Amino acid sequence: QVQLVQSGAEVKMPGASVQVSCKTSGYTFNTYYMHWVRQAPGQGPEWMGIIYPSGTTSYAPKFQGRVSMTRDTSTSTVYMDVRSLTSEDTAIYYCAREPPSSVEGQYSFDYWGQGSLVTVSS
Amino acid sequence: QSALTQPASVSESPGQSITISCTGTSSDVGGHKCVSWYQLYPGKAPKLIIFDVSKRPSGVSNRFSGSKSGNTASLTISGLQAEDEADYYCCSYASSYIYVFGTGTKVTVL
Repeated sequence: QVQLVQSGAEVKMPGASVQVSCKTSGYTFNTYYMHWVRQAPGQGPEWMGIIYPSGTTSYAPKFQGRVSMTRDTSTSTVYMDVRSLTSEDTAIYYCAREPPSSVEGQYSFDYWGQGSLVTVSS
Repeated sequence: QSALTQPASVSESPGQSITISCTGTSSDVGGHKCVSWYQLYPGKAPKLIIFDVSKRPSGVSNRFSGSKSGNTASLTISGLQAEDEADYYCCSYASSYIYVFGTGTKVTVL
């Protein structure tokens, strides 16, 4: 079965960086796209960016230059780094899978990780 | 890219139907057949309930249906049940490999 297992909760100081990981299993890693979505307390989901099987990335303008997404095919794991953290980055961060064009459901997120809480506080 | 506009809340009695709107622009909702809907319970990861405007993933109740007209997509929940009480968010692919979520709707079953 498809599983996306994320790294644990993190507490960071303002100005620091954080890396969140998303280890996948149960499907062909090199076929599907992976997104990162965050949800701040009391707010709705916010799309952050996508990493394609080729490693190409696209980020929401708001996060351009401050967020990096990478993937390790040897471990079927996707990573997201967020730099220069502020209190406004306190949120639950999710990885979410998107099917490719060869499979029904492209442009939607069919499986999600359990979420990783990142707290930014001094 | 601005968030898609949804009503903040919708309430209805069990057994009734509700429709949640999701209004965007010709650059997102109106320009693509790529609208999806997600059901969120507190403390849980989002669940995909509609993709490609009107298609249901396997295992999702047929009480959920989607449609689109112009720049507005809609999610209808028929035969409302207590378990449908949750937050619902639309999402659309926009231009240049960007995605945008809606503002969210809290559904209350009276």
